[in-house]
Amino acid sequence: AQTVTQSQPEMSVQEAETVTLSCTYDTSESDYYLFWYKQPPSRQMILVIRQEAYKQQNATENRFSVNFQKAAKSFSLKISDSQLGDAAMYFCAYSYTGTASKLTFGTGTRLQVTL
Amino acid sequence: GAVVSQHPSWVICKSGTSVKIECRSLDFQATTMFWYRQFPKQSLMLMATSNEGSKATYEQGVEKDKFLINHASLTLSTLTVTSAHPEDSSFYICSARPRLSSAYSYEQYFGPGTRLTVT
Repeated sequence: AQTVTQSQPEMSVQEAETVTLSCTYDTSESDYYLFWYKQPPSRQMILVIRQEAYKQQNATENRFSVNFQKAAKSFSLKISDSQLGDAAMYFCAYSYTGTASKLTFGTGTRLQVTL
Repeated sequence: GAVVSQHPSWVICKSGTSVKIECRSLDFQATTMFWYRQFPKQSLMLMATSNEGSKATYEQGVEKDKFLINHASLTLSTLTVTSAHPEDSSFYICSARPRLSSAYSYEQYFGPGTRLTVT
């Protein structure tokens, strides 16, 4: 079974600084997708970024980028120029390909952004 | 694009009654919808997967007769909590996955959630 591990329950970053959230996963599949979701206090889950396993290039979305290390099964999220609005729970998620696929979530990392 | 609505956002019901929660994909067709439960400060726990026109697939430990799921169309899925009890109080979240194509890659889009309180 696939598992996703987020070893940092809480992280803190100063505004305008950079922070990296860690995620590791376990799978025997070769083709899959990885995601980072953000859940602010409103509890609305928001897709931050996605990565296809077959792509070697790391995904980027504005201030958000990932470091995808397939051999190490690592998928970290880097947030640059942190803003107060980035404060939220961040969940790493995995999905194998196929019509029956579903998301497997990590336990989440709570990010605090300080002035 | 990719907006999912959920109704109601908050509901209080008495023990023993049933409550229905609706999940709609507003601007895309969702062949698959998912229902999650989230306890405070915890991750999302998948309850069931529903595909349009077929029976839902429940995760281990989830009571099928208590949590009735219907996916009647490509834009609507409902979760009915039957004979609710205080232990069913929780935050319920639905998500929808667009019809698989080159434009989408297995991500899910989430509704805003429903807070259920059973008294």
